[in-house]
Order: sequence, then C-alpha cells, then structure tokens
Amino acid sequence: EAGVAQSPRYKIIEKRQSVAFWCNPISGHATLYWYQQILGQGPKLLIQFQNNGVVDDSQLPKDRFSAERLKGVDSTLKIQPAKLEDSAVYLCASSPRRGATNEKLFFGSGTQLSVL
Amino acid sequence: GDSVTQMEGPVTLSEEAFLTINCTYTATGYPSLFWYVQYPGEGLQLLLKATKADDKGSNKGFEATYRKETTSFHLEKGSVQVSDSAVYFCALTSRRGNQFYFGTGTSLTVIP
Repeated sequence: EAGVAQSPRYKIIEKRQSVAFWCNPISGHATLYWYQQILGQGPKLLIQFQNNGVVDDSQLPKDRFSAERLKGVDSTLKIQPAKLEDSAVYLCASSPRRGATNEKLFFGSGTQLSVL
Repeated sequence: GDSVTQMEGPVTLSEEAFLTINCTYTATGYPSLFWYVQYPGEGLQLLLKATKADDKGSNKGFEATYRKETTSFHLEKGSVQVSDSAVYFCALTSRRGNQFYFGTGTSLTVIP
C-alpha cells in the first residue's frame, strides 16, 4: 500500500515570499490533516479535512495560511507571505474516516521549510 | 482543554538498558492514547495504542498501559537496542472531535 506522499521534501525561501506544499493521502482515506512541527515541539494541527470539507481550522493563521482539498483527494497548503517563525516541518497525515477515535494517523515524511 | 505532557529529553541509554518515557494526559471523557515514533529522516508512525482504561498496548517489545487513575500512559521497554534510537511522541484523541493532541516528543539515543 502506498503511503502518504508529500512534496517538496525541502524548501528554502526568504521572508515575505510565498510557498506551497502538496499532499496526496492514502487512497480512500477520507480525513486529511496538516500539522506544523516546530523544532523541539510536537506536531500542532493546522487544519483537518473530511473529504473536501473543512472540519477544524481553528489553529490556522488565516491571514497568511490557506489550504484546500479539491475533489476530496490531494491537498495543498499555502503560506503567503512567509515569516521567519513559519520555519518548521509541515506534516500531512490521513486516516480512513472521521469519528473513529481509536484510529491511527498515517503520516507523510513532511516538508522542511526554512524561512530566511 | 485536552493536552499531553511528556517527559523531556534527550534520553541516552546503553544497549540492553531499561527504558521508561513518562506521559500524562488531561482530557474530558475517555480518550484513546497512542505512542508514535519518528525514526531519523522518516515520518511519524504508530508504535502502539490503547483505547480504554487498563488496556495495554504493545509492539516491538514496547509496552504502555492506560492508567485512568493516574491519567498516565508511560512507555516502557525492557532492553533497548541501537535501532530504537528515535523521537517518541505521546498522543491522545479527543472523543469530541477526533482531533489528535501530541506531546513535545522525547529523543532517545541508544549507544552500543
């Protein structure tokens, strides 16, 4: 079974530039998550999709971050404009369905963003 | 709100030593509890889980028991190997909305 695919693997940009990350979840997984993992911290949820609808985006800095999941499959996360404090690893994860609280998450390898 | 507090690292052990990584949680209701592991250069992957009080999750020689009375889910392994070197994350899911809350992670290095 193919895992969660993310690209790019690394990205270096200057502050105030824009950047986009792409995620392809495991086939058939209805729920998709974007997490931000700052060095030395645990993953923090940015946004959760159920199919192509947003379930939770309460911790997404909406003035600069946006995300979409067209057709309920692939997803993109965009930052515009980037700030120094956005330097982090951005993780995409998926799970088969929402509401099953004992289900596990399947994570991609992440995109490491450095903002200079 | 729901949260997880995890023992800070880094932890360095010799091969075959006993490992304990402490994890306590705060949650309304009865969450499910997880340990995830992140090996160098790889994504997070599930190590073990427990879905109700007194359940014991186990995998690859690691164990953790869901203790409701102490709100804890400590990770243990009797004899660590060099290949266990990784960052370990304790996590819970809230029964309200299936959101996962992660601890800050504990880095483990096992030396030969």
